[in-house]
Amino acid sequence: AQKVTQAQTEISVVEKEDVTLDCVYETRDTTYYLFWYKQPPSGELVFLIRRNSFDEQNEISGRYSWNFQKSTSSFNFTITASQVVDSAVYFCGGTSYGKLTFGQGTILTVHP
Amino acid sequence: DAGVIQSPRHEVTEMGQEVTLRCKPISGHNSLFWYRQTMMRGLELLIYFNNNVPIDDSGMPEDRFSAKMPNASFSTLKIQPSEPRDSAVYFCASSPPGQGATGYGYTFGSGTRLTVV
Repeated sequence: AQKVTQAQTEISVVEKEDVTLDCVYETRDTTYYLFWYKQPPSGELVFLIRRNSFDEQNEISGRYSWNFQKSTSSFNFTITASQVVDSAVYFCGGTSYGKLTFGQGTILTVHP
Repeated sequence: DAGVIQSPRHEVTEMGQEVTLRCKPISGHNSLFWYRQTMMRGLELLIYFNNNVPIDDSGMPEDRFSAKMPNASFSTLKIQPSEPRDSAVYFCASSPPGQGATGYGYTFGSGTRLTVV
């Protein structure tokens, strides 16, 4: 069985600070896919990124970047120059045997 | 594409009543998933179907919960009898054929917020 651990339950930052959300995905699978989703206050789940276990290149999309290290099973998410609109719950997840399992989520609050 | 459609968006019911949540997956998707979100437990996978057949229901909390998928375009999650601790947001998601392992195209509905009083 796989396990997704998001170490931070809540993070609070001031606008323009950089913030990193941690995620550890443990599985016996050699091939798997990792995800990050954002859940803004409106409640919907917004897909951010999907990454396979063979690709350890960092990914950058605007102010968002992701760092995957297979050796430590970590798939961390960094927001650079955070904004109030980044306030949301962020879920990390991974697929195994056809199902996507999530961590507990990290509540990010960005203060003006 | 209308996306994954869930109904109702909000449901308030009294303890002991039967509750039925509904989901219409994206046309052509053949995997369907039911999740429950609570503050305490986060997003939990309750059950998932592939080609209308339940594959893994290990996340279903107890016998009061049941899920069906009578055809490729409709699924229900039923709670009978409901209890206050069932209050949560219930999400349905679907994914295309052959992508269960990759998660490609995985799409969530907007969720049903259930309150049991």
